[in-house]
Amino acid sequence: EAEVAQSPRYKITEKSQAVAFWCDPISGHATLYWYRQILGQGPELLVQFQDESVVDDSQLPKDRFSAERLKGVDSTLKIQPAELGDSAMYLCASSLRDRSNEQYFGPGTRLTVT
Amino acid sequence: QKEVEQDPGPLSVPEGAIVSLNCTYSNSAFQYFMWYRQYSRKGPELLMYTYSSGNKEDGRFTAQVDKSSKYISLFIRDSQPSDSATYLCAMSVKYGNKLVFGAGTILRVKS
Repeated sequence: EAEVAQSPRYKITEKSQAVAFWCDPISGHATLYWYRQILGQGPELLVQFQDESVVDDSQLPKDRFSAERLKGVDSTLKIQPAELGDSAMYLCASSLRDRSNEQYFGPGTRLTVT
Repeated sequence: QKEVEQDPGPLSVPEGAIVSLNCTYSNSAFQYFMWYRQYSRKGPELLMYTYSSGNKEDGRFTAQVDKSSKYISLFIRDSQPSDSATYLCAMSVKYGNKLVFGAGTILRVKS
């Protein structure tokens, strides 16, 4: 069964350092999402791509976060500089172009900022 | 006030019990309702997806939506220890809009 791949699974970094996460969506899924999930809370959308274009980045802290999906396939989310409050699970999800309510999630990257 | 409210639990039940998980919401424009299951240290997995009001059944799972009360439920029959997980509700205003998630309810099924 096709799955969304994410790496790394765990990342520990010091505050003020840069960190990057990678996501490879299910093949054929045009829409890609990055979510942040703080412990004890539900996922919150950070950015949504349709192919290589950003559809929604209204909740992305643009002073320190950036996301790209250059060829419309895999994607990278970067944080620079990391802050203590960025400690969370970063989830990637993907969906077919016309099935955005049926999103498939990857295993996530657990980020700890010390 | 959050748009979507969900009791965090934990909800602890014996194996074989019927489980009822619920969410309330404040935005009457929500039309699409989803339930996700999330095991510890894993990403959420889509369980059920319903549109507008009514019931939907899939095996041991039944999803109910009552838009007049702004209340959705997920019922699990014959619960199993493998059902132990966090259950997240999610909803959207229309197709293509972003999903708004509840905080999740932790379910523990004891054998």
